[in-house]
Order: sequence, then structure tokens, then C-alpha cells
Amino acid sequence: QVQLQESGPGLVKPSQTLSLTCTVSGGSLSTGDCCWSWIRQPAGKGLEWIGRIYTSGITDYNPSLKSRVTISVDTSKNQFSLRLTSVTAADTAVYFCARERTSSTWYPPNWFDPWGQGTLVTVSS
Amino acid sequence: QSALTQPASVSGSPGQSITISCTGTSSDVGGFNYVSWYQQHPGNAPKLILYEVTNRPSGVSNRFSGSKSGNTASLTISRLQAEDEGDYYCISYRSSSTLWVFGGGTKLTVL
Repeated sequence: QVQLQESGPGLVKPSQTLSLTCTVSGGSLSTGDCCWSWIRQPAGKGLEWIGRIYTSGITDYNPSLKSRVTISVDTSKNQFSLRLTSVTAADTAVYFCARERTSSTWYPPNWFDPWGQGTLVTVSS
Repeated sequence: QSALTQPASVSGSPGQSITISCTGTSSDVGGFNYVSWYQQHPGNAPKLILYEVTNRPSGVSNRFSGSKSGNTASLTISRLQAEDEGDYYCISYRSSSTLWVFGGGTKLTVL
């Protein structure tokens, strides 16, 4: 079964760029369903969708983060990545990667499964 | 403030049933049968427990069930067990550039 694992620095300085990678195992990132997403969760708070990428490379981003976010994919490595520029303390959160699913090609992706275990990124000098 | 409204907390005793609501708009919850529910234990990733309002993934207990009326979706957990304690989130597809909307989460306490 497909499993996801996030990796990247746990500490980023303010104004710098946060970079994370999600490695997909147990299956190919290139086959099947639509999209692969990044989601974050500040400590003690709810979830926020950051954006997603199709295996074709097409991306969609949360409008509130769009100016600072880039998501890319490397199908040869079975990985997709997140870059978030000009970070502040408000970007401190656990970052999850997840696969978007749908029950039919007639429907848009409408649930997330599986999720990676999450990685904590702290923005601090 | 989350786009979908959930109660901050609910509680119940073992063996009882509880229901968690998730209220959105006609652009998300009310417009589509695309609501999913997740269980999250501290320090863990969210786990899918229901998708497309009523469907349970393989391996999820049939004590979990879902429904929807208008702009409000609901998760019901019957025959509560101690292991059900945790946070529950609803997520819905939305027909806009936002694409996804999330509930703020509900903390379930099993008394």
C-alpha cells in the first residue's frame, strides 16, 4: 500500500525559504488518482490546505498562500516537494503530505488518503 | 476561523453514541456529497474514517457513520470506546479556487 514520508529541515529562519519533500513508497506517484497535496497544522489549531500537484506538473494553490508557494514533482524519484518563501512565525506548523482520492473519474478528488506522518517546521531565528 | 463549523468539543460515556456536526455552505457541504471525516490522535497524522459523506474505508469500524442534511454533515460514533478519544475533522470539496475547506476540529472526550 502507498505510504508517504515528509522530510526536510525542522528549523527555518524568518524571511527564508521552507523546503520539504514528500517521498511516495509502495506505489508510483505517476499512476492512478489525480493529485498530491500539502497540508499544514499549526500547533493546537486546525488544518490548512496549501496546494497540490498533478503528476503532469499542473498545480493549484490556496489563494491565501499562492504568492509564496511552489509545489513541484520529480516522478523519477517518486517525490513531490514544497517551497514556501518569506516565512514568518505564522508558518510554524506540522506539514503533511497527502494523496487526493476520488471514487470515480467523473468526480473531482474529494478526500485525502493516505497522509504522511507529518514533520514539524519551526520558523525562528 | 475555519470555513466549516464544528463544535469545539463533545463528550460521551463508553457505550453511548455521539454526533459531530460540520456546517458549511451550498458551495461546499450542501452542494456536493464530497465530505470526508478524519480521526487524529495526538502526534499522529489524520486518519480517514469516512468519505463521500457515508462511505467507510476498509478496516474502519462500522460504529462510524455519516449523513448530510442541507449544508450540514454529521459524523455519528456509536458504542463509544476509549480508543475513540481524539480530534475529528471534516473536510469538503468546494467549487471555487480554494478547492478544499476544513472544519476547525472537534475534540471527543470519552468519559
